[in-house]
Amino acid sequence: NAGVTQTPKFQVLKTGQSMTLQCAQDMNHEYMSWYRQDPGMGLRLIHYSVGAGITDQGEVPNGYNVSRSTTEDFPLRLLSAAPSQTSVYFCASKQGVFYGYTFGSGTRLTVV
Amino acid sequence: RKEVEQDPGPFNVPEGATVAFNCTYSNSASQSFFWYRQDCRKEPKLLMSVYSSGNEDGRFTAQLNRASQYISLLIRDSKLSDSATYLCVVNILTILAGAGSYQLTFGKGTKLSVIP
Repeated sequence: NAGVTQTPKFQVLKTGQSMTLQCAQDMNHEYMSWYRQDPGMGLRLIHYSVGAGITDQGEVPNGYNVSRSTTEDFPLRLLSAAPSQTSVYFCASKQGVFYGYTFGSGTRLTVV
Repeated sequence: RKEVEQDPGPFNVPEGATVAFNCTYSNSASQSFFWYRQDCRKEPKLLMSVYSSGNEDGRFTAQLNRASQYISLLIRDSKLSDSATYLCVVNILTILAGAGSYQLTFGKGTKLSVIP
């Protein structure tokens, strides 16, 4: 039972590079979200999805894109990496609007 | 006012102690409530949901006071393995990109260290 799987676990990017963080869940959850976690800031919502084909912006969406072509996958794309995007990124999924999230193990991203 | 507020701690307690964490939330329309645990450099993990009548899971007891918009977590007989950061999480009606939706809003967490 894999739950929520994120890849890669670690990544170093140069300023201006682009990349995609992968997220997949095998629990048939409709709701998926991406959060970033920075020291002293807590978890902040980047983008979320309530089902395949439906995505929406969260609290800090600038510089990131998402798509949801299947129920299982919810990749996060960094368009042009900036040092301010250095953070730990968590993908999460849940069964319904009033349920709690199950988190992936995170991706530690450093932009130099 | 922040939407979900917690005492950041740290709380340093001896093994076997009882420790209580408190959390307040700003939106009276909130519908669901949780406590998560996050170990250092790990993902948050759901510890327990919080129900209006209060609920218990072993050494852990969660309480909700809707009138005061207050949530608590009590840990009895603390173990070394309880050392972690505890996150209060509330489902809050949030306006994002001009539309309202319920979003899980995380407190910044309270750090607990259980000392031998």
